[in-house]
Formats: sequence, C-alpha cells, structure tokens
Amino acid sequence: GAVVSQHPSRVICKSGTSVKIECRSLDFQATTMFWYRQFPKQSLMLMATSNEGSKATYEQGVEKDKFLINHASLTLSTLTVTSAHPEDSSFYICSARYEEGARQPQHFGDGTRLSIL
Amino acid sequence: AQTVTQSQPEMSVQEAETVTLSCTYDTSENNYYLFWYKQPPSRQMILVIRQEAYKQQNATENRFSVNFQKAAKSFSLKISDSQLGDTAMYFCASAIYNQGGKLIFGQGTELSVKP
Repeated sequence: GAVVSQHPSRVICKSGTSVKIECRSLDFQATTMFWYRQFPKQSLMLMATSNEGSKATYEQGVEKDKFLINHASLTLSTLTVTSAHPEDSSFYICSARYEEGARQPQHFGDGTRLSIL
Repeated sequence: AQTVTQSQPEMSVQEAETVTLSCTYDTSENNYYLFWYKQPPSRQMILVIRQEAYKQQNATENRFSVNFQKAAKSFSLKISDSQLGDTAMYFCASAIYNQGGKLIFGQGTELSVKP
C-alpha cells in the first residue's frame, strides 16, 4: 500500500516552455502533498507543502509564480514550472501523506528529471 | 531552527558485515519524529525506519536498527548483514509535530556495499 505515482519520469524541453508534473496517490487519500527539488549528489530541498483545496505554502526563497502548485483533489497534486530556463533543470520529487501530523511517514514518488535546453 | 547533520558523506562496508551511519539533529521541540530514508540509484525514496521521540525503545526493522540518544540528539542507523542491495544514499530526517510534519533532511551518506 501507500503508492505514489509521479509523471512524467523524464522531461526534456526548450527554454521558455512550461512543464507540468503530476503526483498521484494511487491507493490512499493524501491530505498533504510535498514537493522537493534535488540537485545531483545533494539532499532534498522542500519547495512547498500543498493541502487539498487550499493554497500551497512555499518555503522561503521559492518563487510562487515560477513554481505553480495545485492540489485539486485528495489524490492529485501538480507542479507547473512556468517559462522554464536551464537553471530550473533538476530532479523534482513529490511525496504524499494520508494523515495529518508528523507521525505519519511521507510516501515518495519516483521523481521527475527535468532538463531544460 | 531545526537542523539535521550527517557527517559521513561516503561509507563502504563488506557484504555480510555491519555498518553504522551517523546522524545528529538539533531542535528545541519535545514532540518530533525521526526517519531514515534510502535512495538507491533508481532515485526513489524508500522509508527504512521511523522513531518517535517520546519512545525510549530503539526502533528495529529486520536488519535495520537505530540507536536513539535523545539527550545527545543522536540518531544513528545500524545495518546488519549488509547486502549488495543496501547500496544507496541514506538520508536522516526529522519532522516536528507542530510544524505540519515537514521533513528536514540531512546531507546524506552514500553507502557502498562491496562483494
């Protein structure tokens, strides 16, 4: 149980393109979903926390207009990288949790490798 | 501020041997949780083990166990009978109860299990 699907797994696109990444909880309802960014050989950096039906909470330094997050249902959150540029190239990972509170572990998707040419 | 520190960027161990990965954290909160996640070359994050700070008993999951020293704010992971499939990046993380359970990750330790 607790499977999180992330799509696409790999995206290569031209500079200026907007890219949408989907994160779905397949066998549970996710009250909260998280979006992370990971550079090579580095740790995961939390970008934002998204709760179903409300606006996402962004971490300090993360541009809200650049990284649009929508959590329209209890099983789907999307991250849209708007007008992507080469510096946005990275590995993006989502996670989902089916219960409020810190006790429940986050279940992670397989990640999306974004390459902007 | 909540911080997690892993001071061993890389470690290696022979197959079937035991290895311990170190992790220290800093928080002023009393109600928190600690986790170890594994990230193999496939890049998927996999939960290895979880510890609740209010529990004194160290968590164990098969070959994986932790040494939780609350006073010292230390949370090390011991892998017994290491297997080739244990080769991965290991991240220690903490989550504070009243901060929505946001995970704060350490820098990671890259573990190589050698045949």
